[in-house]
Amino acid sequence: GEDVEQSLFLSVREGDSSVINCTYTDSSSTYLYWYKQEPGAGLQLLTYIFSNMDMKQDQRLTVLLNKKDKHLSLRIADTQTGDSAIYFCADPPDSGYALNFGKGTSLLVTP
Amino acid sequence: EAGVTQFPSHSVIEKGQTVTLRCDPISGHDNLYWYRRVMGKEIKFLLHFVKESKQDESGMPNNRFLAERTGGTYSTLKVQPAELEDSGVYFCASSRMVRGMNTEAFFGQGTRLTVV
Repeated sequence: GEDVEQSLFLSVREGDSSVINCTYTDSSSTYLYWYKQEPGAGLQLLTYIFSNMDMKQDQRLTVLLNKKDKHLSLRIADTQTGDSAIYFCADPPDSGYALNFGKGTSLLVTP
Repeated sequence: EAGVTQFPSHSVIEKGQTVTLRCDPISGHDNLYWYRRVMGKEIKFLLHFVKESKQDESGMPNNRFLAERTGGTYSTLKVQPAELEDSGVYFCASSRMVRGMNTEAFFGQGTRLTVV
């Protein structure tokens, strides 16, 4: 399968910005996704970006896509303790509907 | 509208035993997926149902895993006999088709399986 790589841990202070990075290998993806998993909960679609876009902003979230380098990032402005969770980058393979996920980045927000 | 529900939320079984996981997708969602996350690793695709048919089962680890979706509603994933390496969190997701396009997949809370 295709590989999706993420850093495993990130710790930030409340109020700072968080940037979670992801690299992927499948160049044919139409969409790229960010999922969030809070403790004890399932995966929640946080945001997504079309592959023909460079940037998408949604309130405190900014997604940046560099197709040339196959690099995707998620920036969370004014990070809050409630943002502590595991964040997964995901892209669909070139065929089929299943998602390829990274290992997830555990974000810890400290007061 | 109820979300994707999975049962049980946790299961601890001994090596060699059988366990059956259940997933109830969102009503009307034809697509149903099973994924698994082994501790510290990525979430891996297991298989995909469209209604009652297996569309893609390329991610199933081996023949100890059997998934069914009789009637195209809920799905079960049976592991028989369970091995230690089967431990992990099993996620189910569902999505619907709109004019031939697959839409957002909604995930359940997962079943944490521990094989001892």
